[in-house]
Order: sequence, then C-alpha cells, then structure tokens
Amino acid sequence: EDKVVQSPLSLVVHEGDTVTLNCSYEVTNFRSLLWYKQEKKAPTFLFMLTSSGIEKKSGRLSSILDKKELFSILNITATQTGDSAIYLCAVRFSNSGYALNFGKGTSLLVTP
Amino acid sequence: NAGVTQTPKFQVLKTGQSMTLQCAQDMNHEYMSWYRQDPGMGLRLIHYSVGAGITDQGEVPNGYNVSRSTTEDFPLRLLSAAPSQTSVYFCASSYLTGVIEQYFGPGTRLTVT
Repeated sequence: EDKVVQSPLSLVVHEGDTVTLNCSYEVTNFRSLLWYKQEKKAPTFLFMLTSSGIEKKSGRLSSILDKKELFSILNITATQTGDSAIYLCAVRFSNSGYALNFGKGTSLLVTP
Repeated sequence: NAGVTQTPKFQVLKTGQSMTLQCAQDMNHEYMSWYRQDPGMGLRLIHYSVGAGITDQGEVPNGYNVSRSTTEDFPLRLLSAAPSQTSVYFCASSYLTGVIEQYFGPGTRLTVT
C-alpha cells in the first residue's frame, strides 16, 4: 500500500531558527510530490517537485526531492512567527490517478 | 476569479439527517475532489472526479455520494449522518495536464451530534 510519512509530527522553535521538515514515501509509481502550508484554513500550495536534486526556492523556504531514497525535505530559514502552521506533504502516484496521498502533517510553532 | 468556493462554512446535524455540501470552481478545472481532515489524520480522499459525468471513490467513500453534472460543481452528499462524519471537509480542484497543483476551498466544519 502506498503511503506518505512526515516527521517530526510537531516542532517548536524560536524565531530565527532554521528548521527542516521531512517527508518520505513508499511508492509503486511516483509522479510528483507537493508541499502545502495550512494555517487556520485551507491548505495553500508551496512547491511541486518531480525531478531529483533540483531545489525549489521561494524566499526563506526551499525544498528538494531525492527520488532514489524516496524522500523530500522542506527547509525554512530565519523562521518567523508567521511560519507557524501545519506543513503537509502529498504525493501523487501513477496508480492513484490524479489523487493526492497526504501525510499527517508537521505542526510547526515558532515562538518569539 | 472566486477560485474554489464551499458552502456552508459550518453545519451541525443530528444523527440520521442528510445534507449536501456544495463545492464550485470557476477555473475550468477538470479534476475535482473531496477530502476530510481529522486531527492527527492528515487529509483523506473521499471521492474525486476527472470530468463531468465521471466520479470515483477515494480512500474513505462510505456514507458519502457525489455527482458531477457540470464542470463547475461537485456536491458531496451525506445520506444519513453519523457522529464519525464529524470533520472538516475540503473540496479541491486542478487541471489534468500541465501544472496540476490542487487548489483548495475554505472548508466546511461539520459536527454530527
């Protein structure tokens, strides 16, 4: 059974710290991996990764995919209190059609 | 562009009642889906559709029905509500080709007593 595992499940850091969130997956036919940020509302899209070793970057956030080792990381540098959210990883497999398989999420709290 | 809209935002039902959660998108997306989100469980797929007239089951379809008569609308029906269906429900849509990130609606918080 295909599945997506995120770690850690929760994390508390101080403003200015750098954090790394992990997402590993077991797959039959990988198509793409997506990261979302969820505050007290709907998930909002951050990155989509399809190729190994190519870093996607947006401001202080960056993400990279390792298709050989079946994982992705999401880095956030110089964290701010506004980064506090649940970060969701989702993977699209060939046998799931267009459906996204979500991990349980990492809850990040950034304290002042 | 309104994006993905959902109504209602909140709903309280008694066990055994039925209701329909509405979802609409104005981006001409072919793919639409419904997820439920429970604490500690992430998002789980209920039903999805790849176009008008085509629907299929996701991971947790029991107790829910869907139909897709138009590209824009994808309602989710609860036939006989149960307390286990207390959850936050999200509708999402995307294109089938090209950049296929999914856009999410604001969610419906449903409580079944």
